[in-house]
Amino acid sequence: EDKVVQSPLSLVVHEGDTVTLNCSYEVTNFRSLLWYKQEKKAPTFLFMLTSSGIEKKSGRLSSILDKKELFSILNITATQTGDSAVYLCAVEVLYGGATNKLIFGTGTLLAVQP
Amino acid sequence: DGGITQSPKYLFRKEGQNVTLSCEQNLNHDAMYWYRQDPGQGLRLIYYSQIVNDFQKGDIAEGYSVSREKKESFPLTVTSAQKNPTAFYLCASSSLTQGSLAKNIQYFGAGTRLSVL
Repeated sequence: EDKVVQSPLSLVVHEGDTVTLNCSYEVTNFRSLLWYKQEKKAPTFLFMLTSSGIEKKSGRLSSILDKKELFSILNITATQTGDSAVYLCAVEVLYGGATNKLIFGTGTLLAVQP
Repeated sequence: DGGITQSPKYLFRKEGQNVTLSCEQNLNHDAMYWYRQDPGQGLRLIYYSQIVNDFQKGDIAEGYSVSREKKESFPLTVTSAQKNPTAFYLCASSSLTQGSLAKNIQYFGAGTRLSVL
């Protein structure tokens, strides 16, 4: 059975700290790995990763994929209170022929305290 | 503004009642999806549709039904057969015709929280 596991489940840090969120996976027919940020409602897209070792970066957020060890990390530097959210990891797999689907982890709840 | 609109934000269902959650997108996306989110669990796929008048069951389709009569709309009906409907429901869409890397990025609506009276 395809599986995506995120750790830690929750994390409390202070503003200015750097955090690392983890996502490991065991799937067949891997296509890509995606990170989303969910602040109470709609998950918003952060990154899509398809190749090992190539860092994706957007401001203070960055992510990298290791397809050999089957994991990805999401780093947030100089955290701000606005970074408080649930961070979702999803793996895109081939599903039912030509269709792809996303398998989600349970998320990491990040709380950034002033 | 381009996006995905879900309504209502909150919905209450009485026992034995069917309720319908609305999802509309103006992104001109081909594919649309419905997920259910429960505390401590990842998003789980209920139904998806890649083209008008066609849809497929996801991993937890029992007790749900959908239709796709227009490209922009993908309503989800929670039937009385769904015995545990209390959850947060998310609708998503993706373009199947963009460049190969971007076409499967799913974009989400703000969700509907369904509770049972």
